[in-house]
Amino acid sequence: EVQLVESGGGLVQPGGSLRLSCAASGFTFSNYALNWVRQAPGKGLEWVSGISGAGNEIFYADSVEGRFTVSRDNSKNTLYLQMNSLRAEDTAVYYCGRQRSTSPSDASDMWGQGTMVTVSS
Amino acid sequence: DIQMTQSPSSLSASIGDRVTMTCRASQGISNYLAWYQQKPGKAPEPLIYAASALQSGVPSRFSGSGSGTDFTLTISSLQPEDFATYYCQKYDSAPFTFGPGTKVNIK
Repeated sequence: EVQLVESGGGLVQPGGSLRLSCAASGFTFSNYALNWVRQAPGKGLEWVSGISGAGNEIFYADSVEGRFTVSRDNSKNTLYLQMNSLRAEDTAVYYCGRQRSTSPSDASDMWGQGTMVTVSS
Repeated sequence: DIQMTQSPSSLSASIGDRVTMTCRASQGISNYLAWYQQKPGKAPEPLIYAASALQSGVPSRFSGSGSGTDFTLTISSLQPEDFATYYCQKYDSAPFTFGPGTKVNIK
């Protein structure tokens, strides 16, 4: 079965760190770019970061640039999002998504179920 | 950065209605436009890519059109499972911004 499964969410204090993971199965992982998208409670979708299939092309939203780091381990079929200096406004459900090709500049064709991150003291 | 807007922000429609919603980019993005459907508490579901191409498994009652700055998503005959929020997203270049969404409600 083709799927993406996020994990690593939870409650963290402002200024803290968290690492999200997205485990992929059922497809050739390195053939696809991946992205992180988040959704704050009651709000719309916000693109966060994208990474190419080889991991050599990376993009970030201005809102997370310098605080978040995206990476992937193609030997483990896993995508990561290291989140540092977390703020209350980072509270959201984080989804990982697969792009249709190796390029981050492509539409997504599947998403994981999401993992909740809550930043609060 | 290019801004994405969607209109209307919400609409009410009945089963069987033809529904049309619009997405607009502040600058031209060719046809690098995708549409997604999201139901409450669920992950987004892909509908359309390249402005008008249906993702695999998407019913043919969904269609997309447009190029440049103005895009449209049409549902030809609204079904009960179509009540949801619809988002457009540009993917010509980063940032890959989403529109604010159009919520389709039951009339």
